[in-house]
Amino acid sequence: KQEVTQIPAALSVPEGENLVLNCSFTDSAIYNLQWFRQDPGKGLTSLLLIQSSQREQTSGRLNASLDKSSGRSTLYIAASQPGDSATYLCAVSGGYQLIWGAGTKLIIKP
Amino acid sequence: GAGVSQSPSNKVTEKGKDVELRCDPISGHTALYWYRQSLGQGLEFLIYFQGNSAPDKSGLPSDRFSAERTGGSVSTLTIQRTQQEDSAVYLCASSGQETQYFGPGTRLLVL
Repeated sequence: KQEVTQIPAALSVPEGENLVLNCSFTDSAIYNLQWFRQDPGKGLTSLLLIQSSQREQTSGRLNASLDKSSGRSTLYIAASQPGDSATYLCAVSGGYQLIWGAGTKLIIKP
Repeated sequence: GAGVSQSPSNKVTEKGKDVELRCDPISGHTALYWYRQSLGQGLEFLIYFQGNSAPDKSGLPSDRFSAERTGGSVSTLTIQRTQQEDSAVYLCASSGQETQYFGPGTRLLVL
């Protein structure tokens, strides 16, 4: 049974710092891995999707990597801003179902 | 264009009552998902609809939960005889291909 773990559960850093969020999964037989952002009272927004054959994806200040063999993904946020404060969730897909981590709550201090 | 919408945004009910939660997916999206998110937890898959195929109900936690999707568009999640442990945020998502687009959720509180 696939299990997804995100560490740390919460993170607070000063504005401007580069940071890394971690996601690990137990079964490497995945179709893709996605990173989402969740803002309080709002739905989830897809940030990046990495296919199983890919190693990384980039969007603006965000870079996500995938190492299937070790069951790990990282989300790198460059030059963090207060507007990046949110909960970040990763999810792995073995088909149409997504298996979710519990998220990392990120606070960027001005 | 319009995103996924859900109603109501908040629902407070008494234990034992039935509730209906509604989801309007993005027009043209054939796939629709329902998830439940309890406080501080990740999302829990509930049910998946794809076109006219039989839905995947494997995530429904008990027979008190049911969902339907009429005309391949709007979906309703029904919880009968609600219990306090049903309190959570219920999220709906739709997709045309791989990326799922989420609604804002319905926050359900069972007293």
